[in-house]
Amino acid sequence: KQEVTQIPAALSVPEGENLVLNCSFTDSAIYNLQWFRQDPGKGLTSLLLIQSSQREQTSGRLNASLDKSSGRSTLYIAASQPGDSATYLCAVPSGGTDKLIFGTGTRLQVFP
Amino acid sequence: DAGVIQSPRHEVTEMGQEVTLRCKLISGHNSLFWYRQTMMRGLELLIYFNNNVPIDDSGMPEDRFSAKMPNASFSTLKIQPSEPRDSAVYFCASSLALQGSNQPQHFGDGTRLSIL
Repeated sequence: KQEVTQIPAALSVPEGENLVLNCSFTDSAIYNLQWFRQDPGKGLTSLLLIQSSQREQTSGRLNASLDKSSGRSTLYIAASQPGDSATYLCAVPSGGTDKLIFGTGTRLQVFP
Repeated sequence: DAGVIQSPRHEVTEMGQEVTLRCKLISGHNSLFWYRQTMMRGLELLIYFNNNVPIDDSGMPEDRFSAKMPNASFSTLKIQPSEPRDSAVYFCASSLALQGSNQPQHFGDGTRLSIL
């Protein structure tokens, strides 16, 4: 059974810092991994999707890496801003289906 | 371009009442997912459809829950009768499922359901 874990559960940092959020999964037979952002009272916004054949994906100040063999992914946020404050979730498909298994998220607060 | 649209945004009702949650997919998408989010259990998939056909309903809690896709762009999730433990935020997401291609899921803003 796939299990997804995220650490840390919460993070509070001053503006400008570079951050690393961690995601680990127990079953490495995945075909992609997604990182999402959730703002309070809102749905999830897809940030990055990494295919199993890729090692990383970049979008602006965000960079996500994937190491299938070790069951890990990291989300790197460069030069953090207060607007980055949100909960960040990673998710992997269960088996060969489109059913996503989510981690419990990292709640990030960036203060000015 | 309109995203996934859910209604209502908030629903408060008494135990035993029927609850209907609605979702409009992004135009052109062919996969539809219903999720439930609670503090205790996080985000869980209830059911998902591909081309209007239910593919996996193993997350549906019990027979009180039912989901339909009357057409390719719309879905409902019904709870009858509702119970206080059904209180949660219910999200709908859609994606374009292509063979051999991984596409991200796009989420609506959710329905916050409170059963008294």
